[in-house]
Amino acid sequence: SQQGEEDPQALSIQEGENATMNCSYKTSINNLQWYRQNSGRGLVHLILIRSNEREKHSGRLRVTLDTSKKSSSLLITASRAADTASYFCALSTQGAQKLVFGQGTRLTINP
Amino acid sequence: EAGVAQSPRYKIIEKRQSVAFWCNPISGHATLYWYQQILGQGPKLLIQFQNNGVVDDSQLPKDRFSAERLKGVDSTLKIQPAKLEDSAVYLCASSPTGETQYFGPGTRLLVL
Repeated sequence: SQQGEEDPQALSIQEGENATMNCSYKTSINNLQWYRQNSGRGLVHLILIRSNEREKHSGRLRVTLDTSKKSSSLLITASRAADTASYFCALSTQGAQKLVFGQGTRLTINP
Repeated sequence: EAGVAQSPRYKIIEKRQSVAFWCNPISGHATLYWYQQILGQGPKLLIQFQNNGVVDDSQLPKDRFSAERLKGVDSTLKIQPAKLEDSAVYLCASSPTGETQYFGPGTRLLVL
């Protein structure tokens, strides 16, 4: 399967804590992307990391990619209530201008 | 910059009826995607257009689903006849480069 698998499926933490989500996959990728989906809304692109990159930052987000282990992690630091959402990893494989989404991690930030 | 527009936002129909969804992508985006997202799951690609040509429709149930993108801009997705298992959110996305995708708010379909 080309689909990424997120872990955990659900995560509940206190505001201010850090949240870490993981994505594992089995195929070779061109890039890996993370998206956020608030309840009842469309997906919002957060960050893209290419297969030759190991780490990227964007604001409070930090993404790592280990192609030897075929895994990626998304770290959200100093979480806020507004970070409550579902987070999806999406794989882009070589030669394909399409994404394959995982099942997502449901993140709840408790005030 | 205006985002991806979709309509309607909600639709309730009975099984065996037909339904159509409309999408207006971000201006200038050549690639357009339709996804189906069942509750609790990630989006599943149904069809991908490059301008007005179909690039990938391998997961589109062609016996009941159809889609078109006239003039390489707006797109419509149709289901005829609908089944109970078609209840889902239908998401439209567009991309200028085929990498980052920009999603619309989705159409929530309930088939009774």
